[in-house]
Amino acid sequence: GQNIDQPTEMTATEGAIVQINCTYQTSGFNGLFWYQQHAGEAPTFLSYNVLDGLEEKGRFSSFLSRSKGYSYLLLKELQMKDSASYLCAVNTGFQKLVFGTGTRLLVSP
Amino acid sequence: GAGVSQSPSNKVTEKGKDVELRCDPISGHTALYWYRQSLGQGLEFLIYFQGNSAPDKSGLPSDRFSAERTGGSVSTLTIQRTQQEDSAVYLCASSLDISSYNEQFFGPGTRLTVL
Repeated sequence: GQNIDQPTEMTATEGAIVQINCTYQTSGFNGLFWYQQHAGEAPTFLSYNVLDGLEEKGRFSSFLSRSKGYSYLLLKELQMKDSASYLCAVNTGFQKLVFGTGTRLLVSP
Repeated sequence: GAGVSQSPSNKVTEKGKDVELRCDPISGHTALYWYRQSLGQGLEFLIYFQGNSAPDKSGLPSDRFSAERTGGSVSTLTIQRTQQEDSAVYLCASSLDISSYNEQFFGPGTRLTVL
């Protein structure tokens, strides 16, 4: 079976750092994606990890450990506009993405 | 076009009716995907196309669901004899090809409500 777990909701303060964890157990693995989805809008791509380690892109970083079936998305210098759902998705082969239910992040002033 | 477009943006239908949802991918993208997002659920993979071919239809929930793609571009997702449990947001995405590292670009979705 396919199982991807993320916390349902997180809260943080503007300017702070937040880490959103994702654990997965899938029948195949060809990389892990993080997407951001604002309410009522389409998901937009944030990052892709296929090798172990940290990928940094501006305020956002993503980490992957394949042996542990674990990833996290790190958001620094939080802004109000970062309030959104963050979706973890595993590519199980041929671009078939299996998504977690998403983590709703609320950033407060 | 500049991005993936979908139509209609909203569709309200009566139980038992057929509906057709349309997706226009980004020009030049050979791979196209359909997902369903129900309230409180993660995105659920339905089907993908490489060109006009759909190698993997395993995600379609039942035989009431079908999809086609013509000319390597526009795709339609058809739901026959709609049921209330079909109510969801149907998202389409496209990517350059099916290489694993290619990000998928999502359209705004069609919100389907079955009464």
